This record gives sequence, C-alpha cells and structure tokens, in this order.
Amino acid sequence: DAKTTQPPSMDCAEGRAANLPCNHSTISGNEYVYWYRQIHSQGPQYIIHGLKNNETNEMASLIITEDRKSSTLILPHATLRDTAVYYCIVRVPGANNLFFGTGTRLTVIP
Amino acid sequence: EPEVTQTPSHQVTQMGQEVILRCVPISNHLYFYWYRQILGQKVEFLVSFYNNEISEKSEIFDDQFSVERPDGSNFTLKIRSTKLEDSAMYFCASRATGGETQYFGPGTRLLVL
Repeated sequence: DAKTTQPPSMDCAEGRAANLPCNHSTISGNEYVYWYRQIHSQGPQYIIHGLKNNETNEMASLIITEDRKSSTLILPHATLRDTAVYYCIVRVPGANNLFFGTGTRLTVIP
Repeated sequence: EPEVTQTPSHQVTQMGQEVILRCVPISNHLYFYWYRQILGQKVEFLVSFYNNEISEKSEIFDDQFSVERPDGSNFTLKIRSTKLEDSAMYFCASRATGGETQYFGPGTRLLVL
C-alpha cells in the first residue's frame, strides 16, 4: 500500500513555482522518497529522489523535512507541459515494485 | 537519451484470445517490470524479472500471465486467455544494476472486447 498522502489536486499559474507536498509520516530510516509524474496516461516519468538531503536536478528540487515525515517537490517555473499527475512514493532500496497512490493532479494555468 | 520502448501502442482483441505485449528495455538494464493501469485507476505492479526468472509478482499476476525474455533485447508479457477486465494500459519498466530508478515505457493500451 502507498505510504504517502498527497492532495488530490492543485493549480499553479504558468511561470510560477509549483510546490507539491507529500506526507510520509511512517517512513523508515532506509526508505527513499521518489517522485514520478504521469502526463495524460503516458508512462510514469521519473523526476527525482532523495533520502534525507535536499536534492536538485534539471527538472525539479526535492525538499525533505529534517524528521523525514514530509517532503515538497518544487517545479521552479511551471509550464503548461508540467500539467500531470505527480506521485510521491517511498521505497526501500532494492525493492522490486513501486506503489503508486492516487497522486496530485497538477494543472498549470496560462 | 535511452528509452524503454513498447509495441504495439494499441491492441484490440477478443475475449479469450492470447496477446503478447512487447518491450525493449534500456540497453544494459537487467531488471525488468510490468505494471498496468486500468482506466481512471492507479498504476499497479504486476511482476519483476531478473536473471531470467520472476523475482516478485503481485496477486494480479495469476496463471493467465507469463513473462519472457526471448532474446537479448526483448521482454514480453503474455496473457493467455484475455478477459474483459484485462483492458488497461500496460507499462514496461527497466532498471540498471546498482541503480534505484525504474524507467518506464510509453505503454500499450489493451482493449478486450
């Protein structure tokens, strides 16, 4: 079962930062936080992952709280193409499967 | 950038027929997965495959399903006798040895009539 809680939907104005929250209060010490997104029934697309430090790549930044019970995915300048369902997933290294919850449907508004 | 590819993109079949969905994982990846997504529902894990054998499967992956790596590049999912409820998007994914990230293909939309 998904061990994360995300708001079902969010809107963001084009060009603004999109901040997507995720609660994972039961996360274990060795579990990573992963973010994927799915654009209109396409295959899930990997965005970023982290353990306890904040991470940044060309797509997004991941901010993990010190107690690791929650995290925020930040898309710094949202575009219309970022409209998608965003999934926050916790996963033990080496685990075979990803448990996708219902995610957050982000709509970027012109 | 290397990608996972899947064929066909769409497949329509009659109930009771066999279907084979094909995937070409990213080159040098050795861990392979199948997931499915029924319309409007969550993405669900079906099976993982490594070293020519199933490493884990979900309760969805019953005797009607099988996976195979017939050659060095393809990874297939076979449904022996399709049911209406098998209608879904099927996603293949692969992962590199030592890596933790699964990369997904674009999916095959299967419609069982």
